[in-house]
Amino acid sequence: RKEVEQDPGPFNVPEGATVAFNCTYSNSASQSFFWYRQDCRKEPKLLMSVYSSGNEDGRFTAQLNRASQYISLLIRDSKLSDSATYLCVVSGRGNSGGYQKVTFGTGTKLQVIP
Amino acid sequence: NAGVTQTPKFRILKIGQSMTLQCTQDMNHNYMYWYRQDPGMGLKLIYYSVGAGITDKGEVPNGYNVSRSTTEDFPLRLELAAPSQTSVYFCASSYSGQIRSYEQYFGPGTRLTVT
Repeated sequence: RKEVEQDPGPFNVPEGATVAFNCTYSNSASQSFFWYRQDCRKEPKLLMSVYSSGNEDGRFTAQLNRASQYISLLIRDSKLSDSATYLCVVSGRGNSGGYQKVTFGTGTKLQVIP
Repeated sequence: NAGVTQTPKFRILKIGQSMTLQCTQDMNHNYMYWYRQDPGMGLKLIYYSVGAGITDKGEVPNGYNVSRSTTEDFPLRLELAAPSQTSVYFCASSYSGQIRSYEQYFGPGTRLTVT
């Protein structure tokens, strides 16, 4: 089982639609969770951290379910500019010592259509 | 505040040549990372560092070396370049502490072609 799994998509949605991405992780000791956005041929950029109580930033809502080991990202009222690949990221203790291991999912591609 | 900067932006190498990819951050982050991303694929961790003088291997370290003599700089060295090292290389940094821990900030990347 992969450490972090995402549906690769692509998700093709019309403007104004609501779209949800899910991500599952295998390490139950994971401590920090993030969503990143990556535009074509650009570097990943932090979209939002995911907190245990869930958090919202404008049209974006992130939720964490520790019991089921999954994270979700909801985008409401999709815009053309939301078209990108969304990366799920999980951080936790590494196996060999106290360092913090960060694992990226392979990403879910979103295409918002006019 | 420039964040994470990388040089060069583009480079073409011949097989067997060597080069160093430069990465600098001005956010006083203790963690730094090197990733590679092949076309249409996810990020793969090459090396990381938890502080000056401390580095460790990631998922795909073969063919690369790193050093971290200062908090700011984390160069990646390619020895004897091979076509399999054609990729986009991203450097990133993060802070480990109570607030905003492990949020990674990326440089713009170096596009490397080995022919």
